Amino acid sequence: EAQVTQNPRYLITVTGKKLTVTCSQNMNHEYMSWYRQDPGLGLRQIYYSMNVEVTDKGDVPEGYKVSRKEKRNFPLILESPSPNQTSLYFCASSFSGTGRLYSNQPQHFGDGTRLSIL
Amino acid sequence: QKEVEQNSGPLSVPEGAIASLNCTYSDRGSQSFFWYRQYSGKSPELIMSIYSNGDKEDGRFTAQLNKASQYVSLLIRDSQPSDSATYLCAVRRETSGSRLTFGEGTQLTVNP
Repeated sequence: EAQVTQNPRYLITVTGKKLTVTCSQNMNHEYMSWYRQDPGLGLRQIYYSMNVEVTDKGDVPEGYKVSRKEKRNFPLILESPSPNQTSLYFCASSFSGTGRLYSNQPQHFGDGTRLSIL
Repeated sequence: QKEVEQNSGPLSVPEGAIASLNCTYSDRGSQSFFWYRQYSGKSPELIMSIYSNGDKEDGRFTAQLNKASQYVSLLIRDSQPSDSATYLCAVRRETSGSRLTFGEGTQLTVNP
């Protein structure tokens, strides 16, 4: 089954304790992205990756790191979490490339990770 | 001006009515448009995509695109209580590669 898998689904932790949220996709997608969703603010992009070893900042990258060592995995790292990073996080993936064939490809989302930083 | 704006909600319609959700975008170079449905606490789920001017129908859903007016809409016919969710409009700009820009969403409630 084609899917994007995030872990953990829920996490309560304390300020300053490093954490990693994993994201894996089995669709051979080049493009992967992390979003956070907060009430009244919609989905905001944190980081994205166009392919292996190619990552770039989204709209709200502060306090986050990512890596893309393998095509299927795109972990989100919070080196020193703070309460303002309490949010619902989504990983998404899609095919990438130029031309209409790729621009029409939708993004597929994982089930989400609800993080609470105390 | 926000890149993608959706009509402010919440929107409430009776069961069986037509629900109309609207979205405008600022970048004329935008080329692909998507509507996602999101139930509370769940992930966004793609329900419609549209790339050319005009209407695109899929079951009870119709997406309408007017690039000259920079406007995309989603009509839900014969609305059901199960359609109650937040609907997200997403736009892919020509210059942004695979990146999507999302609107803030419109919350729809269908009353039995």
